[in-house]
This record gives sequence, structure tokens and C-alpha cells, in this order.
Amino acid sequence: SQTIHQWPATLVQPVGSPLSLECTVEGTSNPNLYWYRQAAGRGLQLLFYSVGIGQISSEVPQNLSASRPQDRQFILSSKKLLLSDSGFYLCAWSLAQRRNNEKLFFGSGTQLSVL
Amino acid sequence: KQEVTQIPAALSVPEGENLVLNCSFTDSAIYNLQWFRQDPGKGLTSLLLIQSSQREQTSGRLNASLDKSSGRSTLYIAASQPGDSATYLCAVSRIQGAQKLVFGQGTRLTINP
Repeated sequence: SQTIHQWPATLVQPVGSPLSLECTVEGTSNPNLYWYRQAAGRGLQLLFYSVGIGQISSEVPQNLSASRPQDRQFILSSKKLLLSDSGFYLCAWSLAQRRNNEKLFFGSGTQLSVL
Repeated sequence: KQEVTQIPAALSVPEGENLVLNCSFTDSAIYNLQWFRQDPGKGLTSLLLIQSSQREQTSGRLNASLDKSSGRSTLYIAASQPGDSATYLCAVSRIQGAQKLVFGQGTRLTINP
């Protein structure tokens, strides 16, 4: 069966510090991968998605970047965190192969507090 | 731009009641609609997915309906239990590309014993 791992669960970082959140998927090949953010009082917002190694699409302009160095690894990064980067970050995956009617499976999330 | 709205924002009902959560979306050109459950501080769990060609999906005590032309979906929960307490999110997929969902802000459901 497929599983998705996301870490850390909680992170407190000072403003201006770097960020690296990691997500890995097991039990499937060539998944579509996603990073979402859930800010306080707001709905989930898609930040990045990837359909393959090295292929990253950004949905909104921001202080963050994403990378996919391996098929089942997705990394969210920042060189210098802002206060507005605080939120609950969720990684997700879905089956690829041009099938648009598959469910989305989420990791357990990372609560990031930038102070 | 697709916008998804969920009403009510919060709902509290006694155990055993049947209830309906509502979701509306502004652009009817969707691939599918999904309902998720989120427990506090946790990730999302997919409950039901309705393809654009379907009108409803059922899983256990849950039934989701889709009226694409009117831009509405409902999630019906039968015989509610305290374990159903969570935030329920509705999301629609956009036309092209990977599964890029637009989410509503959710309905926070509390089932009182």
C-alpha cells in the first residue's frame, strides 16, 4: 500500500532563517506531488505541484521554492523565512498517467511558526 | 477564478442526527469534486470523490451529491457519531493539468454525545 511521510511535524523558526521541509511517498511510482499551505483563517492553497523529477510548477508568487530530486521525494524550501510564511504545510500525492479522476492523499502536515 | 464556499462554517448537533453539509462553487467546468475530513492538527483524509459525470457517491454512512450545473454539492452524514467530529472540506479540480484542487474553508462539525 502507498504511504506518505512528511517531517518535521512541528517547526519554530526565526525570521530570516532558511527552511527545508521534506516529503516522501512509498508504494507507488511517478506520482504527482503537491505542496499546500493552510494559513490561519484561510482555506488550503496550492503552492507547488510536480508531475515528474525536476518538474515544478508554482501556483502563487512567494518566498518559497520546491524541488523534486527523486521520483518520490518533494522538498519545500526557503532561503529567508518571513512572518507570513507561518502556517500548516501539507504534502500530497495522486496517481499520474493523465488520469484526472484520482483521489488526493495527504501527509500529516508540518506546523510552521515563524517568529 | 474558481471559488468554493462551504456553509455553515460550524455546526453542532446531538449524536444520532442526520445532517447535511453544503458546498458551492462558482465555475461549473470541473473534473471532479472531493470531500475531505481533517482532524485538528492533522492532514486531510479523502472521503468521497465524485466525477463530473456522476451525481452521487456513497461510502458507509456518507453520501455526497453533485449538481454541476448549479455549482452545488452536499455531504449527507447519517446517524452521526461523536467520532464524526472534525472539519469537513470540499474541493473541486480545475480543468487542466494534475489534480489541482480549489478548496473551501470547511465546515467544523461537532457531534455532542
